[in-house]
Amino acid sequence: DQQVKQNSPSLSVQEGRISILNCDYTNSMFDYFLWYKKYPAEGPTFLISISSIKDKNEDGRFTVFLNKSAKHLSLHIVPSQPGDSAVYFCAASARNFGNEKLTFGTGTRLTIIP
Amino acid sequence: DTAVSQTPKYLVTQMGNDKSIKCEQNLGHDTMYWYKQDSKKFLKIMFSYNNKELIINETVPNRFSPKSPDKAHLNLHINSLELGDSAVYFCASSQVGLGSYEQYFGPGTRLTVT
Repeated sequence: DQQVKQNSPSLSVQEGRISILNCDYTNSMFDYFLWYKKYPAEGPTFLISISSIKDKNEDGRFTVFLNKSAKHLSLHIVPSQPGDSAVYFCAASARNFGNEKLTFGTGTRLTIIP
Repeated sequence: DTAVSQTPKYLVTQMGNDKSIKCEQNLGHDTMYWYKQDSKKFLKIMFSYNNKELIINETVPNRFSPKSPDKAHLNLHINSLELGDSAVYFCASSQVGLGSYEQYFGPGTRLTVT
């Protein structure tokens, strides 16, 4: 049972345009959401996160939106740059008094076309 | 300065052998994790340790035994390796209790069992 889903395995975007990556979740206990970026042969790198008490969090070119009623979050990258080409993982966590764990989606491969 | 390091980066071995993967973090975090990324690129938690104490064990076969000599190290020992153990194994660390759940990952160890 996959509790975090990224339904688009790949996405191609022109350099300078906006990239929108989507993520859906099923577990209503999740209260914290994160996006990770992964280059080949490297570990996932933390990008941006959002608590369930917010609906938007922005950090430079990266913005994460959370729609709790739809159990949906998205990552917007604008403007997209060639170095953004990577696999992006959505992850979610539920408060569990020190037993927190991340549940990951299967990733979306983003390709930025120069 | 590598925050989370793993050795070795690549490991090729035969079925039935016993092998270990080492992980070290210099972030001062109190919690460390092992994740497995399988052939479908699905990243799933295996174990977590908080201050050398096992917190999460996600129904991993008991051929896998984590060992935490101190809170900066979490090693993974695998007995009687099987073909299905071939995967990329990621170590991660975090500081629990700060209200955020960011985990920081090592570069991964690609294990190939032949």
